[in-house]
Amino acid sequence: QVQLQESGPGLVKPSETLSLTCTVSSVSISSSFWSWIRQPAGKGLEWIGRIDTNGNNQYNPSLRGRVTMSVDTAKNHFSLKVDSVTAADTAVYFCARGRRAYSYGLNLYYYYMDVWGKGTAVTVSS
Amino acid sequence: SYELTQPPSVSVSPGQTARISCSGDALPKQYSYWYQQKPGLAPVLIIFKDSERPSGIPERFSASSAGTVVTLVISGVQAEDEADYYCQSADSSNTYVVFGGGTKLTVL
Repeated sequence: QVQLQESGPGLVKPSETLSLTCTVSSVSISSSFWSWIRQPAGKGLEWIGRIDTNGNNQYNPSLRGRVTMSVDTAKNHFSLKVDSVTAADTAVYFCARGRRAYSYGLNLYYYYMDVWGKGTAVTVSS
Repeated sequence: SYELTQPPSVSVSPGQTARISCSGDALPKQYSYWYQQKPGLAPVLIIFKDSERPSGIPERFSASSAGTVVTLVISGVQAEDEADYYCQSADSSNTYVVFGGGTKLTVL
């Protein structure tokens, strides 16, 4: 059974870098795409971005180039960095496994998240 | 930026049918997905590729699509179905994942 576990500091100071890691169990990290999603308290889900082990990544343009994701195949984990954080980055951060497949009907690759971590709360405050 | 629009809330009595809509201009050209999220827990995938159910998801959860609107249908709603529901799709360039704002389902 695939399991994902987020880890990292629960408190980050404004203007510093938020760093989180998602450890993947029971499946090789090379087998899928991997995403980060966040959710401010009482609000909806916001997709941050995705990455695979071939170096393919896409980031939400709303984060204006502050996001970097990486994969460590030796440790079977992937990571998220968000630079220059502000209070608006305070949220629960989820990691998730992404499934991608090709649809001949729609003539495109489609993507969705089928297994999620439990989430980790990050507060940006001095 | 591309948006998916959901009603903020839907209320239904136990045993009745709940319908939660999600609208977006790119939906005719993209698949839609639905997630259920209960308080304090991570979202759970309940519908993928417009209308398919992952294993373990009850048959009372279904979905349909018609043009720019997709609809999650919960038949015979149970108290345990009270949760937030999010639709998800992709933008027209098929580059970015987009979530709807979420709908809180209240079981009266």
